[in-house]
Amino acid sequence: EADIYQTPRYLVIGTGKKITLECSQTMGHDKMYWYQQDPGMELHLIHYSYGVNSTEKGDLSSESTVSRIRTEHFPLTLESARPSHTSQYLCASSSPARNSYEQYFGPGTRLTVT
Amino acid sequence: AQKVTQAQTEISVVEKEDVTLDCVYETRDTTYYLFWYKQPPSGELVFLIRRNSFDEQNEISGRYSWNFQKSTSSFNFTITASQVVDSAVYFCALSEEMDSSYKLIFGSGTRLLVRP
Repeated sequence: EADIYQTPRYLVIGTGKKITLECSQTMGHDKMYWYQQDPGMELHLIHYSYGVNSTEKGDLSSESTVSRIRTEHFPLTLESARPSHTSQYLCASSSPARNSYEQYFGPGTRLTVT
Repeated sequence: AQKVTQAQTEISVVEKEDVTLDCVYETRDTTYYLFWYKQPPSGELVFLIRRNSFDEQNEISGRYSWNFQKSTSSFNFTITASQVVDSAVYFCALSEEMDSSYKLIFGSGTRLLVRP
């Protein structure tokens, strides 16, 4: 069973605020990912990391930034939240070293910017 | 380009009916992986199955079964004797080579509603 955690689960915040969405995993996975999922259901990769000190942008351009200082921790930050950032954010991790490639997902953070 | 198509946006069935969710993919990779995920109303994505491109055996797990056909680039998912708890959005995904690793390309999802 996957052990990947996201906090907060729900967040309502005003425009212009700085926010950080937390993601942690206890599986020792080297690769981690952030996806954005709009109400239309499609998932879009916005950031990923191969390991400590590695961060890359995904397919969908995002104003958010990420950091990977520790293997287990991959936070996402929005410096100035806007209503267009309203979405669900899903964090995932994987360990291709085990030749599996499936990604395990956290419960998600549903963000609303008013 | 890599692509996953789930043509069924929404399916509604009555409990105990069998239902098949379709997934068609396009890939340029010779080795690839296919996945199904379930997203219940609570929001998390739950991994269901992984298939690699060299293994075309169908798989059955309880009421779930998967039919992988390389000739038609399809990886369909059947739920037998559906239950209300099966109501969720189901995503099919395809691996794509990315630098020294893989990323997942997701389909747009199929929302399944099982009515009592």
